[in-house]
Amino acid sequence: DAKTTQPPSMDCAEGRAANLPCNHSTISGNEYVYWYRQIHSQGPQYIIHGLKNNETNEMASLIITEDRKSSTLILPHATLRDTAVYYCIVRRGGAGTALIFGKGTTLSVSS
Amino acid sequence: DAGVIQSPRHEVTEMGQEVTLRCKPISGHNSLFWYRQTMMRGLELLIYFNNNVPIDDSGMPEDRFSAKMPNASFSTLKIQPSEPRDSAVYFCASSLTRQAYEQYFGPGTRLTVT
Repeated sequence: DAKTTQPPSMDCAEGRAANLPCNHSTISGNEYVYWYRQIHSQGPQYIIHGLKNNETNEMASLIITEDRKSSTLILPHATLRDTAVYYCIVRRGGAGTALIFGKGTTLSVSS
Repeated sequence: DAGVIQSPRHEVTEMGQEVTLRCKPISGHNSLFWYRQTMMRGLELLIYFNNNVPIDDSGMPEDRFSAKMPNASFSTLKIQPSEPRDSAVYFCASSLTRQAYEQYFGPGTRLTVT
């Protein structure tokens, strides 16, 4: 699986958009980009995933560059409950393979 | 659905004792994963099963650790004997192998070995 690089921490004001970057320059053609988050003391939670097209669901949007070497997770209107560690993970498609977690980005949302 | 169920939620034991952690995956899911989280090492995969068969156990630290999945609705992770460095939060996750791209995590078991 390709390696990912994320900033260790970011701050965001409540109600503003949070844009979390991820670099995955060694991604290969059959690897997806996944985003999970972990709110303090809880198990990680799936947010979104994509291959090459931009994706949107009720939680977030995922923007993947055309060369697929980087992506951005967007939380359009961050709330205090979005304070968490966000993990960007690259792996082959399918849920039957394990996730390899890096250090992630700690997002702090403040009022 | 109740989600992934783990028990116990907290376990405190003395060094040398046997510890058994339990996991009930979401009904119908056929992949099950055990992860461990510590401050030093972050979240790391220990072992995972597809259709009750262990697929990759390369993350199991040493022979003191063993995991079983006797049926589709139950898995155990055993540590014998336990050591203080095994103190961590142990997460179980389940998923559908072919259809979904999402792993559902349980609440975790916080293990403290004194």
